[in-house]
Amino acid sequence: SAVISQKPSRDICQRGTSLTIQCQVDSQVTMMFWYRQQPGQSLTLIATANQGSEATYESGFVIDKFPISRPNLTFSTLTVSNMSPEDSSIYLCSVDYLRLDYNEQFFGPGTRLTVL
Amino acid sequence: RKEVEQDPGPFNVPEGATVAFNCTYSNSASQSFFWYRQDCRKEPKLLMSVYSSGNEDGRFTAQLNRASQYISLLIRDSKLSDSATYLCVVNRYTSGTYKYIFGTGTRLKVLA
Repeated sequence: SAVISQKPSRDICQRGTSLTIQCQVDSQVTMMFWYRQQPGQSLTLIATANQGSEATYESGFVIDKFPISRPNLTFSTLTVSNMSPEDSSIYLCSVDYLRLDYNEQFFGPGTRLTVL
Repeated sequence: RKEVEQDPGPFNVPEGATVAFNCTYSNSASQSFFWYRQDCRKEPKLLMSVYSSGNEDGRFTAQLNRASQYISLLIRDSKLSDSATYLCVVNRYTSGTYKYIFGTGTRLKVLA
C-alpha cells in the first residue's frame, strides 16, 4: 500500500488569498490525482498530474484557478488561487497502484479548507 | 445526469441484517469497477474491486452487469462497524489516459 501525507491538514483562509496544498507519497508513482469533496458530496476530480507533463484538468477546473506542480515522482502541489467561500471543501490527492488484475487507489488524509 | 448514480440513502438497518446497494453507470466505455468505503471525516479506502463474474470477500459480495451497466454490493450480517458511506467508482480511459469517476455515495447506518 502507499503512504500519502498532505499538508496542511486544515486551514482557514481569507477571501482573495491563495493556498498551496502539498502531497507526498512514500514511493514513486506516475500518476497523481487531485480531488475536491464538498460538504455532503462525493469526490470530484480536479486534475490528473503526471510527472514531466502539464496536468490534465477536468471540465469546470482551470489552471489559473488550480495550478498544479509535479516536480518529481513522489510529490505534487495544488494551489487554490484567489479563494472564495465556494472553494471551502476537502481537497484530496491520490495515487493508484497496479495490482494483479486491477488498479487500487490510495488517498491522502485530505486538506480541509474553509474560506471566510 | 451523473455518470455514476447511487441512491444516497441513508439506509438504516439493524445489526445482522442483509443490505444491498445499487449503482448504475452511463458510459459504456467504463472498464473497471470498484466499491470504496468512506468513514466520516476520513479518506476513501478500497473495499473491493468488482469483476464480471462477481466476487465475494467475507460478508461482502459485489456483482457487475455490463449489459445493464449496473453494479451491486451486498453486505450480509451487518455489523455496527459497517456504518459508513459506500462509494461506487468507475474507471475509464479517455484522451489517452484514464480516470476514476465517483458516485455520490450511499450512506449506511447499522443500528444496535
